[in-house]
Amino acid sequence: EAGVAQSPRYKIIEKRQSVAFWCNPISGHATLYWYQQILGQGPKLLIQFQNNGVVDDSQLPKDRFSAERLKGVDSTLKIQPAKLEDSAVYLCASSTTRQGSYNEQFFGPGTRLTVL
Amino acid sequence: GQNIDQPTEMTATEGAIVQINCTYQTSGFNGLFWYQQHAGEAPTFLSYNVLDGLEEKGRFSSFLSRSKGYSYLLLKELQMKDSASYLCAVSPGRNAGNNRKLIWGLGTSLAVNP
Repeated sequence: EAGVAQSPRYKIIEKRQSVAFWCNPISGHATLYWYQQILGQGPKLLIQFQNNGVVDDSQLPKDRFSAERLKGVDSTLKIQPAKLEDSAVYLCASSTTRQGSYNEQFFGPGTRLTVL
Repeated sequence: GQNIDQPTEMTATEGAIVQINCTYQTSGFNGLFWYQQHAGEAPTFLSYNVLDGLEEKGRFSSFLSRSKGYSYLLLKELQMKDSASYLCAVSPGRNAGNNRKLIWGLGTSLAVNP
């Protein structure tokens, strides 16, 4: 079974530029998560989708961050314009929603963003 | 508010046993997860507890006390490859559609020395 795919793996941009990250979850996983992880900290949830609907985006800085999952499969996270404090690893994860299962999250390799 | 506390760093010796503690205060409780994260890599699932008691899985065990808001991860027969960050995450409840939001701790960086 293929895992969660993310691209690019690394990105360096200057502040005020735009950047986009792509994620393809495990086949059949209805729930998709985008996290921001700053070095030395735990993941911070940015947005959670179930199929193509948003379940939780309470911690997404909506003035600069946006995300979509139009067909309920792959997803894109965009930052426009980027700030220095956006330097972090952006992790995508997916999970099933099976009843009776603990539905653990499976993570992709992440995209390491450096904003100069 | 919702809060998860775990030690920032721990060190241990190869072959020894180490216990990583996690305490939590959340609005609800629907399970506690432990994840392992090697430097520069994504977190990987280790264990899940929703009922009180000990869950054993090979060299790793995880314990939960819901009344105390407390869990620990026990690693036995430590190996060098166990050097990693260990993340405690709590599901405070279920969203619509049976999916989970997790509240994550900051992680415990474990260094295993020879």
